[in-house]
Amino acid sequence: DTGVSQDPRHKITKRGQNVTFRCDPISEHNRLYWYRQTLGQGPEFLTYFQNEAQLEKSRLLSDRFSAERPKGSFSTLEIQRTEQGDSAMYLCASSSNWNTEAFFGQGTRLTVV
Amino acid sequence: SQQGEEDPQALSIQEGENATMNCSYKTSINNLQWYRQNSGRGLVHLILIRSNEREKHSGRLRVTLDTSKKSSSLLITASRAADTASYFCATELGSGAGSYQLTFGKGTKLSVIP
Repeated sequence: DTGVSQDPRHKITKRGQNVTFRCDPISEHNRLYWYRQTLGQGPEFLTYFQNEAQLEKSRLLSDRFSAERPKGSFSTLEIQRTEQGDSAMYLCASSSNWNTEAFFGQGTRLTVV
Repeated sequence: SQQGEEDPQALSIQEGENATMNCSYKTSINNLQWYRQNSGRGLVHLILIRSNEREKHSGRLRVTLDTSKKSSSLLITASRAADTASYFCATELGSGAGSYQLTFGKGTKLSVIP
């Protein structure tokens, strides 16, 4: 399968715990994006990488959130000290430099209890 | 904040009918894209229309873009039960604005009744 893959698909965590999600983009794609989607809403942009450089960050990305793409391939999104308001679907997408069509993964559904 | 606003929020039609969804946005864009999302799943890219294009077709899909009105429409012809999903428009500002992020609307929930 050469699509975007995300792991885990589901995560239930207690408030205050840290969680980390992984995204493996399509291998030849330079651009990688993280979005968050809550019920009944469209996805909201969190951050964007061009290769290993994090070029855009939304103000939604508080200091409890950190994202990395160390070798310009896979990416991780970590949420520290989770809050109930962090419960959402976290979507990863990738695209190439010459075609901005974004390919999305199936998402990681986070539930904070 | 969400730039795009889809209309209607929900649409229910019979199989074989056409479905039209509209999207309005606020700022100048590089391109506008439509995505489909089945319940609880990831998004699937349907079609991209650039700011200098007015109409685009892909299979049963027809997209129009009116930059003067900052609006777009997605027409699905001869709908099928498998078209049941949420449809989102997303705008991209592009390299001129230094931003490749997509800004999504809240979506239109389409139900196609067999």
